[in-house]
Amino acid sequence: AQKVTQAQTEISVVEKEDVTLDCVYETRDTTYYLFWYKQPPSGELVFLIRRNSFDEQNEISGRYSWNFQKSTSSFNFTITASQVVDSAVYFCALPVDYGGATNKLIFGTGTLLAVQP
Amino acid sequence: GAGVSQSPRYKVTKRGQDVTLRCDPISSHATLYWYQQALGQGPEFLTYFNYEAQPDKSGLPSDRFSAERPEGSISTLTIQRTEQRDSAMYRCASSSIMGDEQYFGPGTRLTVT
Repeated sequence: AQKVTQAQTEISVVEKEDVTLDCVYETRDTTYYLFWYKQPPSGELVFLIRRNSFDEQNEISGRYSWNFQKSTSSFNFTITASQVVDSAVYFCALPVDYGGATNKLIFGTGTLLAVQP
Repeated sequence: GAGVSQSPRYKVTKRGQDVTLRCDPISSHATLYWYQQALGQGPEFLTYFNYEAQPDKSGLPSDRFSAERPEGSISTLTIQRTEQRDSAMYRCASSSIMGDEQYFGPGTRLTVT
């Protein structure tokens, strides 16, 4: 079965701390994508990254970095030197039946990150 | 348009009434998705369109829910005889081809009283 688990419900850090959000997934597909989305307090859902299962290199974008490890089925997200504006709910997502008929996303339950000034 | 838009942003309705939610996807995007997001949960798939075709509506919770995209652009989601359990955020997303990232609209917060 396809499944995304975000075991951390809430994380609270102080500004400038580094924080890692965990994502563990299950899929029967041999090729797949993984996604992270951000939902700030304003409520919209903002696309952050898409990663292909072929590419296990870590990705860095400014203060954001992603560590994809196929061997442990994890796709973790690290924010370096966190800022108050990073406060949001972060969702990890996996397409069902990638390349098939639907490609609907399965989301984890999200991790609420609170960055205190 | 520049992004996905949805209307209304907020809708309060009485139990038993019908509601229609609208989604206007990014203009070049062929694929459109509807998701339902309960408070404290991640979005859950309802249905999707590839242009005007609706190949998968497996996520629609009951036959009270229906969606259309008659001309392959704007889509509507209709909930008939609303119930309190229908209260949720309804999100629309579009993507250029299946497998590409899905861009979400701001959502419609539906409250059924």
